[in-house]
Amino acid sequence: DARVTQTPRDKVTEMGQEVTMRCQPILGHNTVFWYRQTMMQGLELLAYFRNRAPLDDSGMPKDRFSAEMPDATLATLKIQPSEPRDSAVYFCASGHGGPLNTEAFFGQGTRLTVV
Amino acid sequence: GNSVTQMEGPVTLSEEAFLTINCTYTATGYPSLFWYVQYPGEGLQLLLKATKADDKGSNKGFEATYRKETTSFHLEKGSVQVSDSAVYFCALSDQGGSEKLVFGKGTKLTVNP
Repeated sequence: DARVTQTPRDKVTEMGQEVTMRCQPILGHNTVFWYRQTMMQGLELLAYFRNRAPLDDSGMPKDRFSAEMPDATLATLKIQPSEPRDSAVYFCASGHGGPLNTEAFFGQGTRLTVV
Repeated sequence: GNSVTQMEGPVTLSEEAFLTINCTYTATGYPSLFWYVQYPGEGLQLLLKATKADDKGSNKGFEATYRKETTSFHLEKGSVQVSDSAVYFCALSDQGGSEKLVFGKGTKLTVNP
């Protein structure tokens, strides 16, 4: 049963600390998304990658957030330094763009609390 | 830019009641339209989709028809169950399922026995 795996599921950290969230996309998918969910803003796209190259990261605060794909099996989202307003659920999703176009499959999310 | 507006919840229904959750969109071109469902503590799951005008997406008793003339994609189910309690999101993307999705705010549905 292929699924997107995110770690950790929950993270509580102090303001100013670095946070790293990891995502293992479904094997064979060439597109990876990072979304943030908050009560106020709903679901917002932070960044997405195709074949490990960033296609759009305009939704991501550049001064503190960074997203990378070191290889095809791992995507990371880092926040440094973290702030209380970053508290949210962060979702990774993967899919296959191009001729084999599929829908996006979501992971279970990382719930981040910055105190 | 693209946007999705869906009815605000929460929506509370009795089991076997009829469900409608309204969704309208603004987009250039011909987007693909989706309904995703989120159960408590879980990620989003695709419920159904439609990729062109007049297409009807359906799954698990839910249906939605892509109406270009009214820019709408309303979700319906004839008889809801307690297990349908979840948050439902309407979304669009410019080019099929693996391009970036723009989501509505979500509608929380509670079905009581």
